[in-house]
Amino acid sequence: EPEVTQTPSHQVTQMGQEVILRCVPISNHLYFYWYRQILGQKVEFLVSFYNNEISEKSEIFDDQFSVERPDGSNFTLKIRSTKLEDSAMYFCASSETSYEQYFGPGTRLTVT
Amino acid sequence: GEDVEQSLFLSVREGDSSVINCTYTDSSSTYLYWYKQEPGAGLQLLTYIFSNMDMKQDQRLTVLLNKKDKHLSLRIADTQTGDSAIYFCAESIYAGNMLTFGGGTRLMVKP
Repeated sequence: EPEVTQTPSHQVTQMGQEVILRCVPISNHLYFYWYRQILGQKVEFLVSFYNNEISEKSEIFDDQFSVERPDGSNFTLKIRSTKLEDSAMYFCASSETSYEQYFGPGTRLTVT
Repeated sequence: GEDVEQSLFLSVREGDSSVINCTYTDSSSTYLYWYKQEPGAGLQLLTYIFSNMDMKQDQRLTVLLNKKDKHLSLRIADTQTGDSAIYFCAESIYAGNMLTFGGGTRLMVKP
């Protein structure tokens, strides 16, 4: 069964550094999403992406964040200058029909 | 804004039924979901229901929706130890829209 994959599974970075989190959505899916879960808190929406542009973003998704679909298979989340409070589990999701979102296993980002 | 709430913890014996409850505040919620998260894994979509439905059954899973009370439940029949996980309720207002998640209910199944 096709699934969403994410790399790396765990990323440790120093405050102020740039990180890129990578996702390979399910191949025929057209809608892509990033969510995050800070330890002990709810899963929060960051951004959705469709037809090569951002369709919706949350207040969390400020100028430090960007998303890109650099080729036909990858979907990336970049954080330009990481802060301690960016430490979280980041989940990528994709959808074919736009109402069923399938999630990847997540990347745990630790900012020190 | 929208809010989705769940109880934190549920413990059942193997073979019993489990009922996990969820309440939401946004009456515009059109799609309601249940996800399962096992340790170290991502969020697995279990089932979903449209707001024009009252009930949906899928093998051992039954979803009940009470729109008037904004209450959603997930019943797992014949609960097994492999059902031990965190279960998340989520809602969205329209297709393609962001999901708003509850905090998750940790289900523990005792042998």
